[in-house]
Amino acid sequence: KNEVEQSPQNLTAQEGEFITINCSYSVGISALHWLQQHPGGGIVSLFMLSSGKKKHGRLIATINIQEKHSSLHITASHPRDSAVYICAAPPPNTGNQFYFGTGTSLTVIP
Amino acid sequence: NAGVTQTPKFQVLKTGQSMTLQCAQDMNHEYMSWYRQDPGMGLRLIHYSVGAGITDQGEVPNGYNVSRSTTEDFPLRLLSAAPSQTSVYFCASSYSSTGTYGYTFGSGTRLTVV
Repeated sequence: KNEVEQSPQNLTAQEGEFITINCSYSVGISALHWLQQHPGGGIVSLFMLSSGKKKHGRLIATINIQEKHSSLHITASHPRDSAVYICAAPPPNTGNQFYFGTGTSLTVIP
Repeated sequence: NAGVTQTPKFQVLKTGQSMTLQCAQDMNHEYMSWYRQDPGMGLRLIHYSVGAGITDQGEVPNGYNVSRSTTEDFPLRLLSAAPSQTSVYFCASSYSSTGTYGYTFGSGTRLTVV
């Protein structure tokens, strides 16, 4: 059983569409991270959330700690948003051991 | 520029060879980790460190050794390379155990064992 589940695994969208990626977790956590990985590239941390909502440009991340669920939204999607998006949850008191989702591969078509 | 530096970016090894993947950070982060990323399996933790002189095993430690003699450096050693260790390796560091103040990844090392 994976402690962090993401959906969908793959997503194809037309440029301009509103995109939602979901992350559910079964462990008790104090924060959740959203990461972005472009094809053949490194991994970049987009957000760290402990409650509520955060916004950075066209990216919005929300979390509901009680329901153990987080979402990443992309408004007005663009081909440069094509990447793998990964959610990661660090259980407390585990010395930097993160649980990772397997990622959502997003392709935005012009 | 501040961040996590991994070297080399690419490496091809023959079965049985040993090598060290280097990881260095200049952000004075206490927490450092090594992950491997395989298709369909996501990121898996190999070893991690919560400070200089302290290391511990992660989910997939077999065949790898680490040491942390300084805060800045966290090298990963492959003792006797096997084809199953063909993967992309990422080093990461953070100020806190939960990454509250940021979680920074290196650019990765793509390793092929033949």
